[in-house]
Amino acid sequence: ETGVTQTPRHLVMGMTNKKSLKCEQHLGHNAMYWYKQSAKKPLELMFVYNFKEQTENNSVPSRFSPECPNSSHLFLHLHTLQPEDSALYLCASSQLVSLAGSYEQYFGPGTRLTVT
Amino acid sequence: SQQGEEDPQALSIQEGENATMNCSYKTSINNLQWYRQNSGRGLVHLILIRSNEREKHSGRLRVTLDTSKKSSSLLITASRAADTASYFCATDAGTGNQFYFGTGTSLTVIP
Repeated sequence: ETGVTQTPRHLVMGMTNKKSLKCEQHLGHNAMYWYKQSAKKPLELMFVYNFKEQTENNSVPSRFSPECPNSSHLFLHLHTLQPEDSALYLCASSQLVSLAGSYEQYFGPGTRLTVT
Repeated sequence: SQQGEEDPQALSIQEGENATMNCSYKTSINNLQWYRQNSGRGLVHLILIRSNEREKHSGRLRVTLDTSKKSSSLLITASRAADTASYFCATDAGTGNQFYFGTGTSLTVIP
């Protein structure tokens, strides 16, 4: 266990559905992240939150909508997805970046999403 | 892009042998990290090496960093079947919480 939990672990949804992914960290970290992992492609950073404020949005389509109500919880709201959005969605947390550089990230087990 | 690139893409060795994986990147970094991922699971942090360090050890892991060549290597000594996983390097560009991962090296250790 890494201290980061994700639910659900598996999700199958149609293109017209609305669903949400949930992530919770029990590590006292101040930064949280959403990544997308597709086969044969590098891990893609989607969103970054520092102290509940979104600091990075790497040109992610608006059909993905993040929400960070507090430093321990992160959501990814999904609506009108496409089949190419099928992937493993990983949540991670870390301490905030310091002048000395970045800290290691702690990942959840991921949500395997299939869009039909 | 900044993302790291691991080499080789796949590696298969016998148990007890050493496994070496390489990572190359393109721009200056604050530090470089190595992660491991078992099939379909989240990534687990293995080791972090800062840009002013050249070598770091953790158990059976040895990481080197050559900032002049913009490359790093991960050596796993005396490999075990349980080391079978994908291994990723991650770099930051010193611009915040952006981490850049490569496509990983898939390691298979044959018992």
